[in-house]
Amino acid sequence: GAVVSQHPSWVICKSGTSVKIECRSLDFQATTMFWYRQFPKQSLMLMATSNEGSKATYEQGVEKDKFLINHASLTLSTLTVTSAHPEDSSFYICSARDRGDWADTQYFGPGTRLTVL
Amino acid sequence: SQQGEEDPQALSIQEGENATMNCSYKTSINNLQWYRQNSGRGLVHLILIRSNEREKHSGRLRVTLDTSKKSSSLLITASRAADTASYFCAPNRDDKIIFGKGTRLHILP
Repeated sequence: GAVVSQHPSWVICKSGTSVKIECRSLDFQATTMFWYRQFPKQSLMLMATSNEGSKATYEQGVEKDKFLINHASLTLSTLTVTSAHPEDSSFYICSARDRGDWADTQYFGPGTRLTVL
Repeated sequence: SQQGEEDPQALSIQEGENATMNCSYKTSINNLQWYRQNSGRGLVHLILIRSNEREKHSGRLRVTLDTSKKSSSLLITASRAADTASYFCAPNRDDKIIFGKGTRLHILP
């Protein structure tokens, strides 16, 4: 099946710093990628939809100035958590929709664990 | 967008038994996907069933879809310890996926 990678797999940073997370579709092109956040023992919460070459669409309650999304190519989307605080500590997961797949299957990355001290 | 609701929320069975979990949704779909998530990991795509299909198999997995009842089921036969995970359904209408709480499956030795 199609593979989606994320980098880094985990990151620890100090409060107030910014962290960038990369999401790549390795063997297919993805015009649309999605970013999710998951807190312990909870389900995934959709944060935003990232479209190649255009602005991301954010879900209600998600601050677009805090979570900057850039989808500059058909295989790469980045999420930057700006001025991170301890409450931003979470598991961030991206997914990519394979448009070459007749069913528009969505494939998920392995996730990035962010810890803000 | 669509959100699937999985039932039960938690399920514990003995290794070797079959596990069945259900999914309900509210509006029309193009297809429905099932995912597995091991603790602290990403989601693994298990199987996709199209809206015009009623049943689909993949190894030990069997998925059914009843569009008239807006429901789906995932059956895992001959369960193994490695099947311990959370399972999510994703009704898809060519739109973003909104996840429900999932079913936490625990396989007992």
